[in-house]
Amino acid sequence: SYDLTQPRSVSVSPGQTANIPCSGDKLGDKYVYWYQQKPGQSPVMVLYQDTKRPSGIPERFSGSNSGDTATLTISGTQTMDAADYYCQAWDTPSTWVFGGGTKLTAL
Amino acid sequence: QVRLQESGPGLVRPSGTLSLTCAVSGDSFRNGFWWNWVRQSPGKGLEFVGEISHSESTHYNPSLKSRVTVTIDRSKNQFSLSLASVTAADTAFYFCARRTENFGIQYWGQGILVTVSS
Repeated sequence: SYDLTQPRSVSVSPGQTANIPCSGDKLGDKYVYWYQQKPGQSPVMVLYQDTKRPSGIPERFSGSNSGDTATLTISGTQTMDAADYYCQAWDTPSTWVFGGGTKLTAL
Repeated sequence: QVRLQESGPGLVRPSGTLSLTCAVSGDSFRNGFWWNWVRQSPGKGLEFVGEISHSESTHYNPSLKSRVTVTIDRSKNQFSLSLASVTAADTAFYFCARRTENFGIQYWGQGILVTVSS
């Protein structure tokens, strides 16, 4: 089976840049999707196809994907960005895989 | 606006079958969309359960494949999840969701907690 590995937690001071990595074998050959989940809420997609932002997602959210690592970057992190973040990718031939999730703390 | 709403029993006995339904409003089962079930054990991460397309092709989590079935009921504009032979490990919030081909999961239901216990 295919595994996506994320750090359990990332801490950042408000206004600074947060980088959340997601690693998997040859992950750069796949599209990666990123979801934000706040306590008691359903997930919200913040990036699709590695780097693209859905309508309504602030420009401070960006992404990259190369080699074995995809990275979600939040520039000028705000306290409202504190949440759990999950990466997702397709595992050939026929299933989706989520990373274990990263808890972003912004304080 | 697409809205998804899960429904079903909140308590299932061990070895029984978990059955949930997702009512879809603001959309129908059209080409280009996949209808998903994703679960999350309390305090844990997201886990893909299964999905079905408009043509009723399916993808399942290999670790659950022998126990999972996802189906569509077009007459009621809803899709369903059936998970057989449940154990306490299947206790989780179950989310239904709509995935757009190559665009990720854009719409999620609010989730429903299903507890497996005697």
